[in-house]
Amino acid sequence: DAKTTQPTSMDCAEGRAANLPCNHSTISGNEYVYWYRQIHSQGPQYIIHGLKNNETNEMASLIITEDRKSSTLILPHATLRDTAVYYCIVETYGGATNKLIFGTGTLLAVQP
Amino acid sequence: DAGVTQSPTHLIKTRGQQVTLRCSPKSGHDTVSWYQQALGQGPQFIFQYYEEEERQRGNFPDRFSGHQFPNYSSELNVNALLLGDSALYLCASSSGSMGWTGELFFGEGSRLTVL
Repeated sequence: DAKTTQPTSMDCAEGRAANLPCNHSTISGNEYVYWYRQIHSQGPQYIIHGLKNNETNEMASLIITEDRKSSTLILPHATLRDTAVYYCIVETYGGATNKLIFGTGTLLAVQP
Repeated sequence: DAGVTQSPTHLIKTRGQQVTLRCSPKSGHDTVSWYQQALGQGPQFIFQYYEEEERQRGNFPDRFSGHQFPNYSSELNVNALLLGDSALYLCASSSGSMGWTGELFFGEGSRLTVL
């Protein structure tokens, strides 16, 4: 079973920041937070991952709370092409099987 | 650099038939995972292949089997198809020998419809 809880859906205006929350209250010390997204009719796409420090790359920023029980994915300037289902996943880094367990994710709808 | 490629993209089968889906991993990757995604659900882990062996398996019956070839490509076989097997089947590749980078590369999937 997925170890995270996400809202089913969210809306965001084009050009504004999209903030997607994720709760992972049972996360253990060696587990990372991963974010993937799936645009309609495509395979999931990796966005970012982190352990306890905030992370930023060309796609997004990941903010993890100090107690690591929740995190927020931030898309700084959402575009219509960012409309997708966003999955927050908690998993051990470097585990023997490189396996990720997906939940049902958050459907982000970017509105013009 | 080709990414993960899957074939066929779409196929229709009838109950009781058998199906084989194929996957070529991203160049340089040696590990292939298969996921099933039913409509409106997240991908569900079926199994993973590394060094031509099944390394871990999710909660799927023995009707689901796979194979990995020496060139790292993989096949997913499903026997005795049920209506509930209708789904998008996703292949994902990663590097097992070079260490986990946190990123799985997914193909576009094979859409299976069972009538």
